[in-house]
Amino acid sequence: QVQLVESGGGVVQPGGSLRLSCAASGFTFSSYGMHWVRQAPGKGLEWVAFIRYDGSNKYYADSVKGRFTISRDNSKNTLYLQMNSLRAEDTAVYYCAKDPEVDGVLDPGVYFDYWGQGTLVTVSS
Amino acid sequence: SYVLTQPPSVSVAPGKTARITCGGNNIGSKSVHWYQQKPGQAPVLVIYYDSDRPSGIPERFSGSNSGNTATLTISRVEAGDEADYYCQVWDSSSDHVFGTGTKVTVL
Repeated sequence: QVQLVESGGGVVQPGGSLRLSCAASGFTFSSYGMHWVRQAPGKGLEWVAFIRYDGSNKYYADSVKGRFTISRDNSKNTLYLQMNSLRAEDTAVYYCAKDPEVDGVLDPGVYFDYWGQGTLVTVSS
Repeated sequence: SYVLTQPPSVSVAPGKTARITCGGNNIGSKSVHWYQQKPGQAPVLVIYYDSDRPSGIPERFSGSNSGNTATLTISRVEAGDEADYYCQVWDSSSDHVFGTGTKVTVL
């Protein structure tokens, strides 16, 4: 069965950096695009970034463009999110989510068919 | 930017039908997906491409989309359906957009 396990969350000061990881199993990771979606405490869902199955294309929400970088290592079945210049408003649970299209070329993906359990990022001094 | 509007809350008695709306400009021309999120848990996909159900989702969950409103319908509501529900579309001007979310309370 599909399993996505995020890690790397924690408390960081404003302006700091953090790298999140998402370990994938139960499916052919290298064949699917992947997303990061976040949820601020008590708030709704916000799409953050998408990467194609082969890493060739990457897309970002305007709120994180230029500060966050999505990447993947298909040999390790792992998705990453490098977060720099963090702000208080980046405080949220970060979920990795799988896109349903095999070898998909629809950018930035279609929807989110499986989600991890999330990892909490707190930006505070 | 594209905005999806949902009612903040919907209350329904067990065994009755809950309808959750998702309003957006000409949303009928887009594909709508729905997620269920229970407290402290990750979202779960319950409807994709307006009305398709993933395997494992009960037939009680159905969806429709036309004009400026998409609707998620939960028939024969059970206590376990109590959760937040979010609609989602992709829009060329806003990328992936989620609705504001609806809390379903089973009375």
